[in-house]
Amino acid sequence: GAVVSQHPSRVICKSGTSVKIECRSLDFQATTMFWYRQFPKQSLMLMATSNEGSKATYEQGVEKDKFLINHASLTLSTLTVTSAHPEDSSFYICSALSRDRVDTQYFGPGTRLTVL
Amino acid sequence: AQKITQTQPGMFVQEKEAVTLDCTYDTSDPSYGLFWYKQPSSGEMIFLIYQGSYDQQNATEGRYSLNFQKARKSANLVISASQLGDSAMYFCAMREGPGYQKVTFGTGTKLQVIP
Repeated sequence: GAVVSQHPSRVICKSGTSVKIECRSLDFQATTMFWYRQFPKQSLMLMATSNEGSKATYEQGVEKDKFLINHASLTLSTLTVTSAHPEDSSFYICSALSRDRVDTQYFGPGTRLTVL
Repeated sequence: AQKITQTQPGMFVQEKEAVTLDCTYDTSDPSYGLFWYKQPSSGEMIFLIYQGSYDQQNATEGRYSLNFQKARKSANLVISASQLGDSAMYFCAMREGPGYQKVTFGTGTKLQVIP
């Protein structure tokens, strides 16, 4: 089946640094990728939707200058948390829509970010 | 207004019994998709089952079935013959809009299977 990978799976960084999270579709072309944030014991909150080759669409309340999304190719999207602060600590999950099967959303395993 | 409502924050079920997890949704779009995902403690979201708004029959995938009642806007997940490994968070989700790009998740139900 379709596989989505995320790297890194865990990252700990100091406040003020930037962190890049990669999301790759390994065996399919992802026309659309989604980035979610999940706080402990809560649901997934959609942060942004990115289509290959175009600017990401951010959900209301999500700072686009803080969470930079780049969907440079049909298999790679990156989320950069700039000048991270402790309140940015969270579980970040990406998912991808296959060009061939838009009824199914494939999720990555998630990245746990801890900002000290 | 909530787009996806899961009214059961937590559920218990005896091993080998069946359990129903509730989900109601709200949309004015005639074309939409409903999904259920399982999230174990590892965090990974595992796709379980999909129901399209135009599908005439209820979706089934192994021990999972979706009780789709369109008029009532409900899409309950039924897990038959519960196993200990079914203990996890379960999320109902809806995709709607052009290209199915608008995605909304419910707040989840924590299911615990008791031996």
